[in-house]
Amino acid sequence: NAGVMQNPRHLVRRRGQEARLRCSPMKGHSHVYWYRQLPEEGLKFMVYLQKENIIDESGMPKERFSAEFPKEGPSILRIQQVVRGDSAAYFCASSPLGTGIEDIQYFGAGTRLSVL
Amino acid sequence: KNEVEQSPQNLTAQEGEFITINCSYSVGISALHWLQQHPGGGIVSLFMLSSGKKKHGRLIATINIQEKHSSLHITASHPRDSAVYICAVANTGNQFYFGTGTSLTVIP
Repeated sequence: NAGVMQNPRHLVRRRGQEARLRCSPMKGHSHVYWYRQLPEEGLKFMVYLQKENIIDESGMPKERFSAEFPKEGPSILRIQQVVRGDSAAYFCASSPLGTGIEDIQYFGAGTRLSVL
Repeated sequence: KNEVEQSPQNLTAQEGEFITINCSYSVGISALHWLQQHPGGGIVSLFMLSSGKKKHGRLIATINIQEKHSSLHITASHPRDSAVYICAVANTGNQFYFGTGTSLTVIP
């Protein structure tokens, strides 16, 4: 059973470009969480999704950021018109069908976004 | 003031020592998580607690809901335990709050 897969591992974008980060949860998991870790800062929650539904997006910046978890395929975190301040490590976690945020979460290795 | 406070921020121990990392929180929670982040950035979820105590190998996590406090203990510490340990809480509104982490270095 493969773990949570994130790709790419490293992503370099120029200011103004779009960044797409992908997360494939563990098999059988229907809950996905995205977190951001800014340089020299701790982890911060961004969004919690179930298949085809956004459950909690209270940690998402109001503009340029969006997330989806379609019925088929990976969850996507999309950042439009990236700025240097978006440079960070973005982690995805998944948990089994069950109590959602109270489940043990399994983390991916992260995508490190660098904005030039 | 952060919703989650961890102490100490940095910890250096000799191999074999018993280690305790503390986490205090100020919000009502539905669950508390202990995470481990190794150099290079990968994150591993160690425990999810809502009450009592859990043990996994040399790691023990406890939580006192009344005192809003949790501890992570490592027995017989080893250099491979060197990592950042992060406490995270999920409040009753399904929001997550993270501590800033405790950086542990275990010296052979």
